[in-house]
Amino acid sequence: EIVMTQSPATLSVSPGERATLSCRASQSVSNTLAWYQQKPGQAPRLLIYGASTRATGIPARFSGSGSGTEFTLTISSLQSEDFGIYYCQQYNNWPGTFGQGTKVEIK
Amino acid sequence: EVQLVESGGGLVQPGGSLRLSCAASEFTVSSNYMSWVRQAPGKGLEWVSVIYSADTTYYADSVKGRFTISRDNSKNTLYLQMNSLRPEDTAVYYCAGAIGNMWRYDYWGQGTLVTVSS
Repeated sequence: EIVMTQSPATLSVSPGERATLSCRASQSVSNTLAWYQQKPGQAPRLLIYGASTRATGIPARFSGSGSGTEFTLTISSLQSEDFGIYYCQQYNNWPGTFGQGTKVEIK
Repeated sequence: EVQLVESGGGLVQPGGSLRLSCAASEFTVSSNYMSWVRQAPGKGLEWVSVIYSADTTYYADSVKGRFTISRDNSKNTLYLQMNSLRPEDTAVYYCAGAIGNMWRYDYWGQGTLVTVSS
């Protein structure tokens, strides 16, 4: 099973600032990497798939990059509605494992 | 707009059973990959089970032999029968729909809480 490791565990960011989240896979997953956003009490929402393709309706301030084992999610200018927990997930191999999450909180 | 609406969660004693349901609208359960994904309190996301095609099913090792995934195509509804429940099964259970790849979840329900405790 592929292990996904996210860093940092918590990221404190002021509104309007840039946020950079990292995700590392224990072995290559090519570009089969997704990012999900989860707000308190809500279900996860697909943000990015294919490492860099925004899902339908996702604002352009969200961007993804990387391939192989190293991936990054960037939020160019953090808005108040962007605070929450972000999970990366590889979907190249059984069973589509998630990282432990990065909590983005207000600084 | 796609909607997945779970129901059936609740408090159950260890060794007990529950059946979760997930009613789908604007999303066809029979022609897409449908999974159950759970999240223990304060923890991350864990895949539980998937059903697709002509009732092909897979389970996580942690639930194999105890949980059964199924669907009723006429009702466009997904189910998860959970037997021999353990305290470590306590979690919010989400149903999730995937279109292009079994493991990449395009749509999620709001979740239903299952608590296993005496």
